[in-house]
Amino acid sequence: GENVEQHPSTLSVQEGDSAVIKCTYSDSASNYFPWYKQELGKRPQLIIDIRSNVGEKKDQRIAVTLNKTAKHFSLHITETQPEDSAVYFCAACHDYKLSFGAGTTVTVRA
Amino acid sequence: DTEVTQTPKHLVMGMTNKKSLKCEQHMGHRAMYWYKQKAKKPPELMFVYSYEKLSINESVPSRFSPECPNSSLLNLHLHALQPEDSALYLCASSRGSGQGNYEQFFGPGTRLTVL
Repeated sequence: GENVEQHPSTLSVQEGDSAVIKCTYSDSASNYFPWYKQELGKRPQLIIDIRSNVGEKKDQRIAVTLNKTAKHFSLHITETQPEDSAVYFCAACHDYKLSFGAGTTVTVRA
Repeated sequence: DTEVTQTPKHLVMGMTNKKSLKCEQHMGHRAMYWYKQKAKKPPELMFVYSYEKLSINESVPSRFSPECPNSSLLNLHLHALQPEDSALYLCASSRGSGQGNYEQFFGPGTRLTVL
């Protein structure tokens, strides 16, 4: 089955700085890679996703890159704000199955 | 309606009780999912229904029994649970199978405590 590894497990950044989270996956059949943000006590919310035929996607301060050859993908958050503090999960999807990374707890220091 | 809803928000049950969790979506999605999430861990897939048929069961113990009465509703029937089953149970839905239809939307979850 799919195995997704996510690093780092915790990330503390100064407000205004950038944050980068990296994930690797094992199943070359995975073709959809979403990122979810989960605040304490809330549901996971999809913040950005990328499909296997695309190398990069950007949405305002958030960007995701995908390297299918190396089987890794990354989340980049620029100009971080206190409201970006949350747990972020990467995932890899094949058919209906979403396999999640272990999560990164991001803390933005004011 | 662009949301997945779940009831109840919280549930406390004893190990001999029978209870049910409910999930509903009115986005016309044809795939629905149950996940279990423990504190500080990622969601773990339990079941997938595609076009109202069970398509994936991730070797979940039989004390958890899913049901999909129609394309908008998904239930999870609980019986003889153990304290280690205490967790946040998340429902999700997506448009269905095929390229471009995998985006999953999560409900707010049911916080289950088994005493």
